[in-house]
Amino acid sequence: QLQLQESGPGLVKPSETLSLTCTVSGGSISSVDHYWGWIRQSPGKGPEWIASVYYTGATSNNPSLRRRVSISVDTSKNQFSLTLSSVTAADTAVYYCARDVFTWLGTFDSWGQGTMVTVSP
Amino acid sequence: QSVLTQSPSVSAAPGQKVTISCSGSGSNIENNYVSWYQQLPGTAPKLLIYDNNVRPSGIPDRFSGSKSGTSATLGITGLQTGDEADYYCGTWDSRLGARVFGGGTKLTVL
Repeated sequence: QLQLQESGPGLVKPSETLSLTCTVSGGSISSVDHYWGWIRQSPGKGPEWIASVYYTGATSNNPSLRRRVSISVDTSKNQFSLTLSSVTAADTAVYYCARDVFTWLGTFDSWGQGTMVTVSP
Repeated sequence: QSVLTQSPSVSAAPGQKVTISCSGSGSNIENNYVSWYQQLPGTAPKLLIYDNNVRPSGIPDRFSGSKSGTSATLGITGLQTGDEADYYCGTWDSRLGARVFGGGTKLTVL
């Protein structure tokens, strides 16, 4: 059974860079049928897609965050990672990693449990 | 403000049926696949419906999806207290070049 697990610091200072890693187990990140994505959710709001990466390294980013976002994949470790630069309090959210189905864009069929990230001095 | 619009809340009694709507536009719902997610309190979203009306393995047939024009609908029959959750729609928006979600509908089973 596919499992995804987020890891990274829970507290980041304003103007600094947020870095998260997602470790995939029970399946290969080199699947031709899937992207691997990051989604965040602020309290009381709907999910917001951040970015997705293919096993080849090809990326797809949300235009609203593109200038601050970098996403990468490490197939040897079955991991993918997110960096978000110049964070502010508005970036405080639960961050999820998820498997992004290539055929049906906008479909995430397996999610990690999420990790809370707080931006505060 | 979400690209996809959902009513904030809906309620119904156990055993009844409820529908949750998701309104979009020609650049998203009308010409792309719609998915639906269930988020129980304190947990990650879970995929309920993809490709407008297809249930993943393990999802009961009490859950159904449909799409017409720029709107999509999630239907839940035989409501149970365990169905109390937030429900989100999602799709691709070709104008924005982004995967997008609705703002969510909170289902209360009275």
